[in-house]
Amino acid sequence: DVKVTQSSRYLVKRTGEKVFLECVQDMDHENMFWYRQDPGLGLRLIYFSYDVKMKEKGDIPEGYSVSREKKERFSLILESASTNQTSMYLCASSLPQLPGELFFGEGSRLTVL
Amino acid sequence: SQQGEEDPQALSIQEGENATMNCSYKTSINNLQWYRQNSGRGLVHLILIRSNEREKHSGRLRVTLDTSKKSSSLLITASRAADTASYFCATEFMNRDDKIIFGKGTRLHILP
Repeated sequence: DVKVTQSSRYLVKRTGEKVFLECVQDMDHENMFWYRQDPGLGLRLIYFSYDVKMKEKGDIPEGYSVSREKKERFSLILESASTNQTSMYLCASSLPQLPGELFFGEGSRLTVL
Repeated sequence: SQQGEEDPQALSIQEGENATMNCSYKTSINNLQWYRQNSGRGLVHLILIRSNEREKHSGRLRVTLDTSKKSSSLLITASRAADTASYFCATEFMNRDDKIIFGKGTRLHILP
């Protein structure tokens, strides 16, 4: 079975802190995605990557950056956390061919105080 | 927004009844998927239907797709308590760099 592991289930950070959310998948998937999920807004795509060292902006990239140094790992970085980044963050991976079934991690719930 | 829209936002039914959720979208798609999310957890893929398909079954799940109306429905038959979850449609739009866009979801609650 595909396993997508997000390093932290719950984090509490202070405004202005730098935050790293790590995601690792074990099925050699080329594609990896970061979404955030907020009540009433559903899932919104932040960044995605189709290959190592490659990244593309999603629909809401402002305030975020990503890193994909290895195929299995996709990191989401909040350079200076703000309270409006309090959210559930979901990482997903998929094979490159269309259609793309996504395999999700369990999520990281971030609270910024 | 090209985001799909699920309807209803929330649904409560008795155990054993059928549950129907709908998804509408605005532009042409390559395929449409349905996902389930238990409270506080990640999403799990349920079923995928391609744009040239009209109906698909998987166990107690039945998905239909009407591309002329730009809508899809998910039917769960003989519902169980374990079906309590949020259900999301996700669309892969043509000419959208293969991004998968999710709707806001339907919260389904199965009453004992």
